[in-house]
Amino acid sequence: DAGVTQSPTHLIKTRGQHVTLRCSPISGHKSVSWYQQVLGQGPQFIFQYYEKEERGRGNFPDRFSARQFPNYSSELNVNALLLGDSALYLCASSLSPTGELFFGEGSRLTVL
Amino acid sequence: QKEVEQNSGPLSVPEGAIASLNCTYSDRGSQSFFWYRQYSGKSPELIMFIYSNGDKEDGRFTAQLNKASQYVSLLIRDSQPSDSATYLCAVNLDKIIFGKGTRLHILP
Repeated sequence: DAGVTQSPTHLIKTRGQHVTLRCSPISGHKSVSWYQQVLGQGPQFIFQYYEKEERGRGNFPDRFSARQFPNYSSELNVNALLLGDSALYLCASSLSPTGELFFGEGSRLTVL
Repeated sequence: QKEVEQNSGPLSVPEGAIASLNCTYSDRGSQSFFWYRQYSGKSPELIMFIYSNGDKEDGRFTAQLNKASQYVSLLIRDSQPSDSATYLCAVNLDKIIFGKGTRLHILP
C-alpha cells in the first residue's frame, strides 16, 4: 500500500511569492496534519484536518492556510513568503484525529 | 502552554549497550505518547506508541510511561550503529506536539 505522498519534494521561491504544497494520505486515513520543521528543531504543528473540517491550528500567521478535499487529500498554502518560512514541511495522516501519525517524505521549501 | 521537553544531546552510547532516551511533558491530560526516529534529511518514522502506565516492549525497544511524574522514556537494547538518529518524543492531547528531539550516536 502506498504511504503518505507529498509534492513537490523540493522547491525554491523568492520572498513575497506564494506556495502550494500537496499531500495524499494513506488509503483509509481521514485525518491529515501539517507540520513545519526547521533544522535542529522538532516538527511544529500547523494544521489538522479531519473529515474535511479544520480540527486544530497551531501558532502560525494567517499567511498559512490549508484545506482538505473530499478524497481526504490536502493542500497547504503559504502567502507572502518570508525567509523564515524556509523549512521542511511535513504532512502526516492518521486513522483518527488522536491516532498515530504517519509522515510523508516532506516538501523542502527554500525562500530566497 | 503545552510543552514536551527532551535533552537535545548528543547522547553517545557504545554499540551493544542500552540507550536511554527521556521526555517530560507539561499537560497532565495527555493520553497518548509516541516515539519517532528521524534520520538526517528524512521524515520521522513511528517506532512505538504507549497509552497506559508501565512498560511496552517491541523487539529491542521498550517504552516506559509514568503519568504521575509526566515522564515517558524509550530504551533501546543492544544498540546498533543503524540506531544513530534523532529520536522525537510526541504527546497527544488535542493535537500531537513534538519535542525538539535527542540526537543519539552509537559508537562502533
